[in-house]
Amino acid sequence: AQRVTQPEKLLSVFKGAPVELKCNYSYSGSPELFWYVQYSRQRLQLLLRHISRESIKGFTADLNKGETSFHLKKPFAQEEDSAMYYCALSGLGIIQGAQKLVFGQGTRLTINP
Amino acid sequence: DAGVTQSPTHLIKTRGQQVTLRCSPKSGHDTVSWYQQALGQGPQFIFQYYEEEERQRGNFPDRFSGHQFPNYSSELNVNALLLGDSALYLCASSSGLDVNEQFFGPGTRLTVL
Repeated sequence: AQRVTQPEKLLSVFKGAPVELKCNYSYSGSPELFWYVQYSRQRLQLLLRHISRESIKGFTADLNKGETSFHLKKPFAQEEDSAMYYCALSGLGIIQGAQKLVFGQGTRLTINP
Repeated sequence: DAGVTQSPTHLIKTRGQQVTLRCSPKSGHDTVSWYQQALGQGPQFIFQYYEEEERQRGNFPDRFSGHQFPNYSSELNVNALLLGDSALYLCASSSGLDVNEQFFGPGTRLTVL
């Protein structure tokens, strides 16, 4: 079964402090992992995906298959990072083209000034 | 390009009624996925449409059905509404070339009384 776990529903850090949002997954095949973000009064949008290996808005995430984790990190938090963050998983190569996203419950990140 | 659009924005129904939600995908996209997001939860996959056919389905009862039109727009129908169907319904579109990169609409907030 595919499952994504985000253990922290709420996370609060001070501006300039490092941020780490945790994500663990359960999947028997080769997953593709994503982080989606939802800013206040905006729609859900893709922040980054592990296959692109890009750093978006200073955030990075590394897929650790041994620990089945995909934690999101940023060295210096900014106030505009306050948002709801969702980790999501999609299976690769099961049925070509018929993939679904499985989301975690989300972590609300608040950056304090 | 307005991106993914959904209508209506809000909807109030009573138990036992039927509802239809609509989604127009982002320009150039041919795949539409629907998600249900209950309060405080991450989005949960309902089904995905491609080439006017349901390609994959999540763990939702048959009361949830859908349709995709030749112009790639889509409808989600829910029959015999229950109080538990109250949620935000999200539509996401993607290209068949990269079905995992999904772009989300703003959602339709359904309240069942």
